[in-house]
Amino acid sequence: ETGVTQTPRHLVMGMTNKKSLKCEQHLGHNAMYWYKQSAKKPLELMFVYNFKEQTENNSVPSRFSPECPNSSHLFLHLHTLQPEDSALYLCASSQESGAGPTDTQYFGPGTRLTVL
Amino acid sequence: TQLLEQSPQFLSIQEGENLTVYCNSSSVFSSLQWYRQEPGEGPVLLVTVVTGGEVKKLKRLTFQFGDARKDSSLHITAAQTGDTGLYLCAPNTGNQFYFGTGTSLTVIP
Repeated sequence: ETGVTQTPRHLVMGMTNKKSLKCEQHLGHNAMYWYKQSAKKPLELMFVYNFKEQTENNSVPSRFSPECPNSSHLFLHLHTLQPEDSALYLCASSQESGAGPTDTQYFGPGTRLTVL
Repeated sequence: TQLLEQSPQFLSIQEGENLTVYCNSSSVFSSLQWYRQEPGEGPVLLVTVVTGGEVKKLKRLTFQFGDARKDSSLHITAAQTGDTGLYLCAPNTGNQFYFGTGTSLTVIP
């Protein structure tokens, strides 16, 4: 039990669909992250939000659109995805002091996304 | 992008055996974390090592950070089926953590 929840756990969508992934953290953290995990590849950091402000966007295609309305919630809006976008999408949170290295990240269970 | 290698990529052993997995890089890191990810779940932090040469033990798991802080190892004694999972190392460059591709461990009863 990590205190980070993600919904839905599984999602199948067509390339023309629009869907959203939701993440909620119950740990009082001030930073939230989206990662993509594909088979045989390292976890890929997609977006970072610190204090609700996006601080990193690691060259992610615009068909992925993050939203962080408050420090507890993070969304990933999906639009016109490609089959190669099929992967496990993981959300994480951490408490950042802003003065040093990134602290421990707590992960949610992920959303298994399949794009047909 | 940091060059990070975890080995072996896959490992299948009998219950009760010992094993060691490795995380190697040519870069120096301020700290390093090990995570375990079970099927259908997100990674869960096992340990953070900070000092070169540091050894930490977590029950049957022994973690070591290399003297030069470029590499790390995880040794499991008397593996159990509950140890099955993907073991990820995540070195910290000072700005963020990077993740390796992991070692997928299967412990056979």
